[in-house]
Amino acid sequence: AQSVTQLGSHVSVSEGALVLLRCNYSSSVPPYLFWYVQYPNQGLQLLLKYTSAATLVKGINGFEAEFKKSETSFHLTKPSAHMSDAAEYFCAVESGGSYIPTFGRGTSLIVHP
Amino acid sequence: DAGVIQSPRHEVTEMGQEVTLRCKPISGHDYLFWYRQTMMRGLELLIYFNNNVPIDDSGMPEDRFSAKMPNASFSTLKIQPSEPRDSAVYFCASSRTGGSPLHFGNGTRLTVT
Repeated sequence: AQSVTQLGSHVSVSEGALVLLRCNYSSSVPPYLFWYVQYPNQGLQLLLKYTSAATLVKGINGFEAEFKKSETSFHLTKPSAHMSDAAEYFCAVESGGSYIPTFGRGTSLIVHP
Repeated sequence: DAGVIQSPRHEVTEMGQEVTLRCKPISGHDYLFWYRQTMMRGLELLIYFNNNVPIDDSGMPEDRFSAKMPNASFSTLKIQPSEPRDSAVYFCASSRTGGSPLHFGNGTRLTVT
């Protein structure tokens, strides 16, 4: 069984501030982990993917995420928020050969000027 | 690469009418997924196909929903008869193989009055 928990349905930051979006997962086997972003009126787009090659994964638009097995976490960070980062962010886990990702409920990132 | 193409972008219909949503996946992708997104339930997997064959339809809400994939480049999701509670954004997504990231279309926003 696999599941994903995203802590905080909304995260609000000021422009230029650090962005931290939290994701914890449960999986009985080493997982694939993903972060997706959804802009208004669009589908989800891949930000980054963890596949066990490296624990720190760099994605598009300056985002990165660190896989911590001991904490079963895959938090998403960005050093300095831009107004254009305002969107919905989804964490997803895929494991056990299911080929079916399980998505978290999403976190809405709000960026204040 | 045109991405996943969904049509229509918006559909407004009256309760009891038949609704057909269409999807063209990315060429060469073996997996196709249909998701529904609502504020209350988040992103729900309805059904997925592998090589045009339905693999898991346990997420389809009820018999009013049906999905087909007659060939590798086309899939439909049909609701008959439609009900107001079916109002949601429906996404189609495709992936190259199991464990590959999903590529989402821009969705169809369905409103049933």
